[in-house]
Amino acid sequence: QKEVEQDPGPLSVPEGAIVSLNCTYSNSAFQYFMWYRQYSRKGPELLMYTYSSGNKEDGRFTAQVDKSSKYISLFIRDSQPSDSATYLCAMRGNSGGSNYKLTFGKGTLLTVNP
Amino acid sequence: DAGITQSPRHKVTETGTPVTLRCHQTENHRYMYWYRQDPGHGLRLIHYSYGVKDTDKGEVSDGYSVSRSKTEDFLLTLESATSSQTSVYFCAISLEASGVSGELFFGEGSRLTVL
Repeated sequence: QKEVEQDPGPLSVPEGAIVSLNCTYSNSAFQYFMWYRQYSRKGPELLMYTYSSGNKEDGRFTAQVDKSSKYISLFIRDSQPSDSATYLCAMRGNSGGSNYKLTFGKGTLLTVNP
Repeated sequence: DAGITQSPRHKVTETGTPVTLRCHQTENHRYMYWYRQDPGHGLRLIHYSYGVKDTDKGEVSDGYSVSRSKTEDFLLTLESATSSQTSVYFCAISLEASGVSGELFFGEGSRLTVL
């Protein structure tokens, strides 16, 4: 079993739709959970991060972590064509120090149609 | 912009030839990483560095070596390129000043094709 599982999609939605992206993981040591957005032919950029369980909201984006189920989600409200990208989940344990080795999901390709 | 520059951005080479990819940063960050990204596999860590001459292996290090003789440069070398190393390679740095979030800043990527 892979440490991090992410449905690769592709996912196609109309503009204005609510989008739900999800990852599951198997390593109970993971404490920090992140979502990266990657536009075509670009490097990934951090969108949101959450420590441990709970929700975090930033504008149209909400990240949720359920550690009991080992499940994380990213919700996008009022999706826009500019949200079309690949979304990657990433996570790491609390290793101490500054060693930020992340384990990534494979990414979900999202297309928002005007 | 974390000041990361990767070179070359595109390269086509033949099986068996050596290849070196360069990652250059302008802000003296201690931690640097090399990832490869492939369809169906996502981002996988090849090697990382936590200071000058301090490097360690990631999950897919076979066939790759790295060097860091200066803080600003992290080199990835394929001693004898194989077709399985055709990929997009990303360099990343982490900002210690950002606290414990583990935020990585990525370069634009180097697209390598091994024929």
